[in-house]
Amino acid sequence: GDSVTQMEGPVTLSEEAFLTINCTYTATGYPSLFWYVQYPGEGLQLLLKATKADDKGSNKGFEATYRKETTSFHLEKGSVQVSDSAVYFCALGKYNNNDMRFGAGTRLTVKP
Amino acid sequence: DTAVSQTPKYLVTQMGNDKSIKCEQNLGHDTMYWYKQDSKKFLKIMFSYNNKELIINETVPNRFSPKSPDKAHLNLHINSLELGDSAVYFCASSKQGANVYNGYTFGSGTRLTVV
Repeated sequence: GDSVTQMEGPVTLSEEAFLTINCTYTATGYPSLFWYVQYPGEGLQLLLKATKADDKGSNKGFEATYRKETTSFHLEKGSVQVSDSAVYFCALGKYNNNDMRFGAGTRLTVKP
Repeated sequence: DTAVSQTPKYLVTQMGNDKSIKCEQNLGHDTMYWYKQDSKKFLKIMFSYNNKELIINETVPNRFSPKSPDKAHLNLHINSLELGDSAVYFCASSKQGANVYNGYTFGSGTRLTVV
């Protein structure tokens, strides 16, 4: 079945460091890919998305490119801030399939 | 203005009790979901309703029963609570086709602690 695999955390970085969180997927057909962020004590919020191969999703300085050839959707940010500390989830969705698949989540801690 | 609201935010109860969690969305979405998040942050879908019709019913104990009185509400009732039910429960909603285009909108969660 369809699935998403994320790099295991936790990830700890200093402020202004470069961030990469790896995400790979397994799916038939043409899935859309998403990154969600969960801040402490809150629900998941959609961070960015890409609906087809080679699309780049971006938001709040975060970027991810849908790579069909490597079945990947890695999340990157050039310079992280303390306020980026959160849990990040990669997810996969397919049309007319109401069961969106989430990765296990990666906890990011950014230290001043 | 809250798009997906859950109540209560925190719930502490004793083993064996019966409790309910309520969820309401004001986004006009057709589909609503219940997810369970364990202590390691892993998300597991439990149920999904589309226009009041149950469309996803994952393998969860039958002590868990969802109820959708209308498409804006999806409640979760849990009978005979057990220690292992302790988790954060998230409600979410989506429009048709959201799996491809818009993603889901999540509530802020209900932290259930069974003692």
